Amino acid sequence: GNSVTQMEGPVTLSEEAFLTINCTYTATGYPSLFWYVQYPGEGLQLLLKATKADDKGSNKGFEATYRKETTSFHLEKGSVQVSDSAVYFCALITFSGGYNKLIFGAGTRLAVHP
Amino acid sequence: ETGVTQTPRHLVMGMTNKKSLKCEQHLGHNAMYWYKQSAKKPLELMFVYNFKEQTENNSVPSRFSPECPNSSHLFLHLHTLQPEDSALYLCASSQGLPPDNTGELFFGEGSRLTVL
Repeated sequence: GNSVTQMEGPVTLSEEAFLTINCTYTATGYPSLFWYVQYPGEGLQLLLKATKADDKGSNKGFEATYRKETTSFHLEKGSVQVSDSAVYFCALITFSGGYNKLIFGAGTRLAVHP
Repeated sequence: ETGVTQTPRHLVMGMTNKKSLKCEQHLGHNAMYWYKQSAKKPLELMFVYNFKEQTENNSVPSRFSPECPNSSHLFLHLHTLQPEDSALYLCASSQGLPPDNTGELFFGEGSRLTVL
């Protein structure tokens, strides 16, 4: 079936370190891919997205490239800040049973220390 | 004011109680969703409403009963829950269903439910 797999957290980094959070997916067809972020005590919000192969989504210094050959959508940031501490969710849209729906991974918690 | 408001933020209930969660969106969207967020598990889509009509019921037990009186309000009625139902319940809204809305859902802050 359709699914999203993320690396298990927590990921703990020092400020200004390089961040990678791995995400791979299984889906029929060519789904659109997303990263959502959940800051402490808040709901999820869209961070970035990519709708077709080789597209790069970017926002707030974060980037992710849609890799069809490896079915991956890894999230990267060159220099993290304490304010980036949050839970990050990879997600895809798939067409299933006559309906399009958003499927999320389990989430990866990021903790950034000064 | 956040676009999607959920109440209560925290709820503790016994297995024989009946309670309801409420969600209100101020964004003019026509689609609303309930998701369940449990620790170390992917978010689970429970219900979807589009223009007040239920378009998705993801094999959710009948002890969870949704209600959508209009496009701005969504309820989740709870009765005879089990301890394993303890989780964060997230409401979301979007303008149209995917892919028309390109996948952006706007989430509330969630209602943390504990079943004793």
